[in-house]
Amino acid sequence: GAGVSQSPRYKVAKRGQDVALRCDPISGHVSLFWYQQALGQGPEFLTYFQNEAQLDKSGLPSDRFFAERPEGSVSTLKIQRTQQEDSAVYLCASSLEGNYGYTFGSGTRLTVV
Amino acid sequence: QKEVEQDPGPLSVPEGAIVSLNCTYSNSAFQYFMWYRQYSRKGPELLMYTYSSGNKEDGRFTAQVDKSSKYISLFIRDSQPSDSATYLCAMWATSGTYKYIFGTGTRLKVLA
Repeated sequence: GAGVSQSPRYKVAKRGQDVALRCDPISGHVSLFWYQQALGQGPEFLTYFQNEAQLDKSGLPSDRFFAERPEGSVSTLKIQRTQQEDSAVYLCASSLEGNYGYTFGSGTRLTVV
Repeated sequence: QKEVEQDPGPLSVPEGAIVSLNCTYSNSAFQYFMWYRQYSRKGPELLMYTYSSGNKEDGRFTAQVDKSSKYISLFIRDSQPSDSATYLCAMWATSGTYKYIFGTGTRLKVLA
């Protein structure tokens, strides 16, 4: 596609529910990133994939967060047993390998009530 | 102390003004420096990236990096109301990671 597509755009979850956020990167982009952006803050790194390999998951805040990219294209970020502090915008970005400057999607705004 | 510091603003300027946006950082390993623009309820959009110290110009935008002072700037000439957005600086150390470290963003409002 022309850009990075994320779905859903908005998600409201009751505390304790599991959620799954989807990212469709730009076709041919090898690298895929997930970031978390709290209100009034800059994005914070969660995890990085190169093709299907998850090379860095150092930013995932707890073992309730899990990301996958099984075929090296679409990625899913799953959050189990959501908590109020998980409320944020979750941004996906992709880039060509070795390219400098990600392309971000519009994000999924998660609200946990 | 955060690795990257950025004044959150808001910064209000009249149309046509020159805008100066700045970030400071503490990690001397940063090699690539990016500026992103983020409109409300949208994802960040890459404006410019520079490698190491120096200047880079693209239309009305100029990015400057001073590694000796650990200070980067983005200048916007002839600012327009459509430039009203949050501007995020981001930095990358390149050594074994593709992770960017972002500033908190500066909210800019250009008044018509």
